[in-house]
Amino acid sequence: GENVEQHPSTLSVQEGDSAVIKCTYSDSASNYFPWYKQELGKGPQLIIDIRSNVGEKKDQRIAVTLNKTAKHFSLHITETQPEDSAVYFCAARALGTGFQKLVFGTGTRLLVSP
Amino acid sequence: NAGVMQNPRHLVRRRGQEARLRCSPMKGHSHVYWYRQLPEEGLKFMVYLQKENIIDESGMPKERFSAEFPKEGPSILRIQQVVRGDSAAYFCASSPDRRFYGYTFGSGTRLTVV
Repeated sequence: GENVEQHPSTLSVQEGDSAVIKCTYSDSASNYFPWYKQELGKGPQLIIDIRSNVGEKKDQRIAVTLNKTAKHFSLHITETQPEDSAVYFCAARALGTGFQKLVFGTGTRLLVSP
Repeated sequence: NAGVMQNPRHLVRRRGQEARLRCSPMKGHSHVYWYRQLPEEGLKFMVYLQKENIIDESGMPKERFSAEFPKEGPSILRIQQVVRGDSAAYFCASSPDRRFYGYTFGSGTRLTVV
């Protein structure tokens, strides 16, 4: 089955810096890769996603890149702000199920210091 | 338009008791997914249900756990004879159909077994 690895587990940056979180997946047939942001005591919120027919997608300060050959995808946050502090999860859709069964990475705790 | 609603937000049970977790999908959604998040870990798929049907329960422990999504009312995740290892956050998400991309999670139920 699908396996997703995520690095780093923690990331500390200064406000205004960029942050990059990387994930690798094992199933070359996977075709959907969402990113979720989870704040303390809340549920994960979808912030951006990418499908395998696209190499990069941007939404304001957030971008995701996908390298299907290398089976990895990354989240890029530019001009970080303290409110970006949260745990970020990558995920990949497990194929062969006919529905959106997601396999999650173990999360990256991002801390943005003012 | 209310999002996915879960209750209770927090649930404390003694070992051996039963826990019942409820999930009301977004309006117009008839597909529900349950995930479990152990402390400091990512989310893991448990079960996928449509109204009155369990479609995929490959992530459910074989014993003590059951799920239902009746024709009327919320989806219920039931854990019988809880043990300390069941302590976790349980999240559900919903979608209008099985191929929907980018479902969003509710705020979760945090179960503590004492």
